[in-house]
This record gives sequence, C-alpha cells and structure tokens, in this order.
Amino acid sequence: AQSVAQPEDQVNVAEGNPLTVKCTYSVSGNPYLFWYVQYPNRGLQFLLKYITGDNLVKGSYGFEAEFNKSQTSFHLKKPSALVSDSALYFCAVSRPSGGYNKLIFGAGTRLAVHP
Amino acid sequence: EAGVTQFPSHSVIEKGQTVTLRCDPISGHDNLYWYRRVMGKEIKFLLHFVKESKQDESGMPNNRFLAERTGGTYSTLKVQPAELEDSGVYFCASSQRAGGFGELFFGEGSRLTVL
Repeated sequence: AQSVAQPEDQVNVAEGNPLTVKCTYSVSGNPYLFWYVQYPNRGLQFLLKYITGDNLVKGSYGFEAEFNKSQTSFHLKKPSALVSDSALYFCAVSRPSGGYNKLIFGAGTRLAVHP
Repeated sequence: EAGVTQFPSHSVIEKGQTVTLRCDPISGHDNLYWYRRVMGKEIKFLLHFVKESKQDESGMPNNRFLAERTGGTYSTLKVQPAELEDSGVYFCASSQRAGGFGELFFGEGSRLTVL
C-alpha cells in the first residue's frame, strides 16, 4: 500500500537550534515529494517540493528538505529555528500510477519551538 | 487575489442530519480537490474535479457523500445522512495544474462535528 510516515507526533526545539522533521514514504515508481505547513487557524501552505534533480531542495521561510532515494526519506530541515516556525507540518507524495494527480499525506508532525 | 474559501468554518450536527460544505476555489483554477482529516490522522484524498467533471472520486468513503461542481466554479460536498465517523476537518484545495506538479492552495477547512 502507498503510504507516508511521519514517525514523530511532536518535535520540540529551542529557538536558534537546527530542526529536523522526519518523513519516509512507501510509494512505487518515482514519486514527487512535498512539504506543507499549517499555522493555527489557517489552511495548509505549500513549503517546498522535490520533482527531480538536486536531492537538496530549498523552500519558503528558510526551510529545506533532502531527498534520499535509498532510504525513501524526505526529511524537512532548517538550520536555525524560530518561535514563529511553530506549526503543524505535513509530508506528502504523489505517485506516477495515480497520474501524479493526487497527494498522499502523512499524519502530520507538530513542531514546537521554545524561546 | 482571494484565496480558497470554505464555508462553514465549523458545523455541529446530529447523527442522521444533512450537511453541505461549500468551497470557492481561486478564480481560474480548473482543478479542485476535497480532502479530509479525521481524528488527527492523515489528510486523505476524497476527490478531484477538473472544471465540472469528476476526474477521480476514488477516495469518497461511501454513497452518503455527494460532491458537485456545477459550472466548474464553486463546489459543494454533501453528507447525507451524517454518521459519527464523518466528524473531521474537510479541506478544499485548488490548483491551475494537476496537483502532482504544482502546489495546491488550500482553504482553512470546514470542521464537521457529528453528535
């Protein structure tokens, strides 16, 4: 079955420290990979995507993610966390057999950045 | 430019009643998606419209759910009759290109509580 796993329900980080939010996937073929963020009382916002090319992709608000095909992972990272980064983060994939037309999401990871 | 808007933001109904959720996509976006997040779990795909046509409705849970997009503009998602397990947050999203290639623009969601 096609799936996305976000193993951590919550990640706690001190402001200024690096952060990592983990994502692994189980999808056949060559998936496209995405990260979305949901701030309180807001809709999901696109952060970044991997389609092809360089394994390290950069996105909004200083976030980046590294695609690792052998480990089927797409972890989200930021070198220095801000309190304003506190939000719910969702990893998602789309797959070739689905015509790339729909996203499969993980359950989300809540990031809490403490001052 | 207005974003994706959803109405109502929160609906509380009793089991067996009917609820209709509405989504207004970004103007000019032919692709419209409905997703659902139940009990803090994964955001699950429900269906995909291209203009007024249902491109993929493989995620619709059962025939109590009916989605329409008359005229290719706004969309409605009706649940009739509602059951307890239908409680969750229903997200609508739109895009110019099919969802796998470009990012989706999400609404804030409609929270449905079935008592």
